[in-house]
Amino acid sequence: DIQMTQSPSSLSASVGDRVTISCRASQRISSYLNWYQHKPGNAPKLLIYGASRLQSGVPSRFSGSGSGTDFTLTISNLQPEDFATYYCQQSHTTPMFTFGQGTKLDIK
Amino acid sequence: QVTLKESGPVLVKPTETLTLTCTVSGFSLNNTMMGVSWIRQPPGKALEWLAHIFSNGDKSYSTSLKNRLTISSDSSKSQVVLTMTNMDPVDTGTYYCARSRPFTWYYEFDFWGQGTLVTVSS
Repeated sequence: DIQMTQSPSSLSASVGDRVTISCRASQRISSYLNWYQHKPGNAPKLLIYGASRLQSGVPSRFSGSGSGTDFTLTISNLQPEDFATYYCQQSHTTPMFTFGQGTKLDIK
Repeated sequence: QVTLKESGPVLVKPTETLTLTCTVSGFSLNNTMMGVSWIRQPPGKALEWLAHIFSNGDKSYSTSLKNRLTISSDSSKSQVVLTMTNMDPVDTGTYYCARSRPFTWYYEFDFWGQGTLVTVSS
């Protein structure tokens, strides 16, 4: 099975900051990498699919990059509503999927 | 619009079998390349993918849980059902169903249900 490792596990930042979250796959997954935002009590929300494709309706301050085994989610100009937990998920081995362990982003 | 809604018991006893139903609307489970997954989140822990079913009947299961899981769908009822046998307190958590978007080739989960909290306790 493909393992997904996110770093850091937690991150503190301020409104207006730029943050990056990393996700590494245990084997090459091309661009089959998706990112989600999850807030307590809510359903996870798709942000980025195919490593770099912005989901419709998601603000352009969110961006994704990477291919192969190393991927990055970048949030520019952090807004108060961006404080949440972020997950990467691989879909290279569809119909089997794997999530990363999550990165909790909180206010400094 | 597309919606998914999970339903099932709030409380189950250890060793019992859990049956969860995901009722979808706004799309057909028969559509080409349509798929639905079950995903769970134990309290304070990460999302964990459990099982997936495609409209062509293809199914897959988490390697660590495959002996306990069964996924099925009934397109006439617009429902996807997950059963998990031999429940244990460590299976306590919120269970989500989510749609994998067809035709983008990345099978991202574009719509999710709100989740249902299942507690395993005697």
